[in-house]
Amino acid sequence: KNQVEQSPQSLIILEGKNCTLQCNYTVSPFSNLRWYKQDTGRGPVSLTIMTFSENTKSNGRYTATLDADTKQSSLHITASQLSDSASYICVVPNDYKLSFGAGTTVTVRA
Amino acid sequence: GAGVSQSPSNKVTEKGKDVELRCDPISGHTALYWYRQRLGQGLEFLIYFQGNSAPDKSGLPSDRFSAERTGESVSTLTIQRTQQEDSAVYLCASSSPGAGGGGEQYFGPGTRLTVT
Repeated sequence: KNQVEQSPQSLIILEGKNCTLQCNYTVSPFSNLRWYKQDTGRGPVSLTIMTFSENTKSNGRYTATLDADTKQSSLHITASQLSDSASYICVVPNDYKLSFGAGTTVTVRA
Repeated sequence: GAGVSQSPSNKVTEKGKDVELRCDPISGHTALYWYRQRLGQGLEFLIYFQGNSAPDKSGLPSDRFSAERTGESVSTLTIQRTQQEDSAVYLCASSSPGAGGGGEQYFGPGTRLTVT
């Protein structure tokens, strides 16, 4: 069973609108949680890395939240742009290995 | 270049043939990972190299898969007698040792393998 679950699997939003992606994990012990953006045909690129003590972290229009008690994280995209169309992957390290979620595919339409 | 590079970017091969995929990590990164990403699925760990330590091969799906790394530089992933289920994007990542789970991994663009 995958230790990192993401929802929704995909979503479509209009340019300028906001959206929120969810991630639940069971990896233990927990050290940090990472959100990656993967454009079509490219490798994943790190958006944020959140440690146990961080509840919220922003990177431009991307804001990640973490609740280590409930083992949940979210990624909020504000004022979406066409370039935000990509797969967003939640990742939780387990020692030197990474446990990957299946990703949420976001499509932003004009 | 400053990032992780992989070659070829695309590879189409016939079932039963062998293929070799190449990864050039970021200079100075001692750790190197190979992953497989099937269409619509998450990344699967294949193999991990760290310096001169014995590699962690626990993710290799069968003995048709093997990988080598020369020192802390280039790595090659070899798939022998390819099967159609080997069709996927093969991603390489490198990192420098760090706190909190092995350091941040930087990914290459991947090699898209199609077995016909």
